[in-house]
Amino acid sequence: DTGVSQDPRHKITKRGQNVTFRCDPISEHNRLYWYRQTLGQGPEFLTYFQNEAQLEKSRLLSDRFSAERPKGSFSTLEIQRTEQGDSAMYLCASSPPSGSYNEQFFGPGTRLTVL
Amino acid sequence: DQQVKQNSPSLSVQEGRISILNCDYTNSMFDYFLWYKKYPAEGPTFLISISSIKDKNEDGRFTVFLNKSAKHLSLHIVPSQPGDSAVYFCAASALTGNQFYFGTGTSLTVIP
Repeated sequence: DTGVSQDPRHKITKRGQNVTFRCDPISEHNRLYWYRQTLGQGPEFLTYFQNEAQLEKSRLLSDRFSAERPKGSFSTLEIQRTEQGDSAMYLCASSPPSGSYNEQFFGPGTRLTVL
Repeated sequence: DQQVKQNSPSLSVQEGRISILNCDYTNSMFDYFLWYKKYPAEGPTFLISISSIKDKNEDGRFTVFLNKSAKHLSLHIVPSQPGDSAVYFCAASALTGNQFYFGTGTSLTVIP
């Protein structure tokens, strides 16, 4: 399967714990995005990488959230001191380098439940 | 501040008939629009897109119409099939930005 993959698919944690999610984009895609989706809502943008550079961050990305893409390939999203309000589906997407507009290819998501 | 709105949470259509899903946006800087389809437990899958220089784009059974003056776009599915049953998200982007803004989705049910 050469699509976007995310790990884990599900994560249950207790409030106050730290969690880390991983995203592996499609191999030739240099652009990578993280979104969060809560029930009844569409995906909300969190952050964007072009290669290893984090070029854009949403106001939704509080200082408890950090994302990295150290070698311009896979990316990690860490949430420190989780809160119940962090419970959501975390989606990763990637797009290729060519052209001004490109559709984003989404992974299956990581569903986080904070107890 | 919802910049992309899908005001119909759900839609039911008989198999073989036309499905029309609607989307409105408020930001006049948006110039690229997409529709995504989402099945349960999967990420959104790209369906069709349109840039603001066009008012219609067609791909098989799927056609997207863009009315820039009304800041409105629609997705037409003809003929509708039971496999089209899913949640459909409208998304918009500006050339100067990197993020997509998504609507809240419309759940389409195609009745056999």
